[in-house]
Amino acid sequence: GEDVEQSLFLSVREGDSSVINCTYTDSSSTYLYWYKQEPGAGLQLLTYIFSNMDMKQDQRLTVLLNKKDKHLSLRIADTQTGDSAIYFCAESIVGYSTLTFGKGTMLLVSP
Amino acid sequence: DADVTQTPRNRITKTGKRIMLECSQTKGHDRMYWYRQDPGLGLRLIYYSFDVKDINKGEISDGYSVSRQAQAKFSLSLESAIPNQTALYFCATSDFPGTGNTDTQYFGPGTRLTVL
Repeated sequence: GEDVEQSLFLSVREGDSSVINCTYTDSSSTYLYWYKQEPGAGLQLLTYIFSNMDMKQDQRLTVLLNKKDKHLSLRIADTQTGDSAIYFCAESIVGYSTLTFGKGTMLLVSP
Repeated sequence: DADVTQTPRNRITKTGKRIMLECSQTKGHDRMYWYRQDPGLGLRLIYYSFDVKDINKGEISDGYSVSRQAQAKFSLSLESAIPNQTALYFCATSDFPGTGNTDTQYFGPGTRLTVL
């Protein structure tokens, strides 16, 4: 079955880069997603990448995909205190019906 | 996302009571989902529906039931609430098949349920 693993906590200082890591188990054609959950709110899609891509960049966000190691990362450049949130990695497999979410990484940004 | 609304936002109830959580969406999506979130456990899928006539059990459906009253409405019921159902509940919709067959999900703001 599908399994998505993330580290639970990351602490950085404002202005530094943050890197949140995720590993997944299924090597079938898939989309991989990053969601952000701010305190008291639902999940918000940040970005996604298809498994035939190695990298995707969107403003301060860079997603790197290592298909061989089934490893996905989200880099946030110039991290701000407003980036403090829980970040979820999620996987979907083409032809399947649901997403599998990791347990989430809590990012704490200190001034 | 304001296009997906959940009511109530907070609810405290007692063991054994029946409770219904409601979800409405204006995105025009066919697919809708109910998740629960517990600290350290992430999101777990309770039920999902691909259209009004298609409802499926998720990972943790025991103790829950759902009703898809219309494309825009998907409600979750706890027939006899118990304390370990205390959690944050999220409704979501999906744009599948989105561009290139993506399955982007859009979440409501959540309902915090406490069962005493």
